[in-house]
Amino acid sequence: GAVVSQHPSRVICKSGTSVKIECRSLDFQATTMFWYRQFPKKSLMLMATSNEGSKATYEQGVEKDKFLINHASLTLSTLTVTSAHPEDSSFYICSARGTSDTEAFFGQGTRLTVV
Amino acid sequence: GQNIDQPTEMTATEGAIVQINCTYQTSGFNGLFWYQQHAGEAPTFLSYNVLDGLEEKGRFSSFLSRSKGYSYLLLKELQMKDSASYLCAVIGGNYQLIWGAGTKLIIKP
Repeated sequence: GAVVSQHPSRVICKSGTSVKIECRSLDFQATTMFWYRQFPKKSLMLMATSNEGSKATYEQGVEKDKFLINHASLTLSTLTVTSAHPEDSSFYICSARGTSDTEAFFGQGTRLTVV
Repeated sequence: GQNIDQPTEMTATEGAIVQINCTYQTSGFNGLFWYQQHAGEAPTFLSYNVLDGLEEKGRFSSFLSRSKGYSYLLLKELQMKDSASYLCAVIGGNYQLIWGAGTKLIIKP
């Protein structure tokens, strides 16, 4: 299957700082990327959907000014958690889908810890 | 509203067969995925069904009935490493992924 690389896999940051998470499709062009957050012992929660070159569509309850998503190219999307707080500590996962594919491929995930 | 239901937890014995069911009610349908997720890791893709019928991949098989809004994941010859959560996800009419809450599968020796 296609490969999606997510970086970093783990990050610890201080409260009030910003953290950027990258999601790259390595062998296909990802026209659509999804960003998810997983709360402990719960399912993945879709945060936003981004199409290349367009503004991301955020799910209800997700602060777009806090979780900045950029999808400037067909192989790269970034999620920036701004002014991070301890409650933002979570597992963040991206997935990418190509133009003609309906299958979405997942990155490895990023475990964010805000101290 | 859109809804996906799957059992919260199942227990099975090593070497046996287990079937994990998923029922869905969505606005539109463009396919159904099954993912496996081990604790602390990202989900990994298992199967994709868009047409009715059974798709077999080694020890894992997935079945879909669109008219019934129903799918199942069948795991054969269970191994201890199969202990994980199994997530059912549907691509809705707007091509967004709609996730079930996942089924935690516990394998006992």
